[in-house]
Amino acid sequence: KQEVTQIPAALSVPEGENLVLNCSFTDSAIYNLQWFRQDPGKGLTSLLLIQSSQREQTSGRLNASLDKSSGRSTLYIAASQPGDSATYLCAVTGNTGKLIFGQGTTLQVKP
Amino acid sequence: NAGVTQTPKFQVLKTGQSMTLQCAQDMNHEYMSWYRQDPGMGLRLIHYSVGAGITDQGEVPNGYNVSRSTTEDFPLRLLSAAPSQTSVYFCASSVDNYGYTFGSGTRLTVV
Repeated sequence: KQEVTQIPAALSVPEGENLVLNCSFTDSAIYNLQWFRQDPGKGLTSLLLIQSSQREQTSGRLNASLDKSSGRSTLYIAASQPGDSATYLCAVTGNTGKLIFGQGTTLQVKP
Repeated sequence: NAGVTQTPKFQVLKTGQSMTLQCAQDMNHEYMSWYRQDPGMGLRLIHYSVGAGITDQGEVPNGYNVSRSTTEDFPLRLLSAAPSQTSVYFCASSVDNYGYTFGSGTRLTVV
């Protein structure tokens, strides 16, 4: 059974800091990995999608990497801003179409 | 494009009542899923579908029914609501299992 773990569960940093969020999964036979952002009381917004054949994806200040063999992904946020405060969710998909989520990392960026 | 549309946004039910949560997408996505999100439990898959006429159970299917008669719609039915079904429900869709788009959610309270 695929299990996804995100560490840390919560993180508080001062504005401007670079930070890394971690995601690990137990079954390396994934189809792709997706990072989402969720603001309080809101839905999920897709940030980055990495296919199983890819090593990383970048969008603006965000960079996500994937090491399928070790079952790990990281989300790097450069020059963090208070507007980055949210919960970040990692999810993996197998070939069945099931999307399995981690518990998320709640990020607070202090001005 | 409207994306993934969920209705209603909020609902209060009495124990034992039935209702249907609606989900519609206009992106011609084959894959559709229902999740529930609870504090401390993260997002859990209820039911999913890989195309019209095809559905399967996820992690927490008990108490919920689904059907997929068209590509666009994937309603979730609660047959006899219980307080344990108080949650936020999200519908998601994907084209060919490549990256999921989520609706804005339905907040359900069962009293």
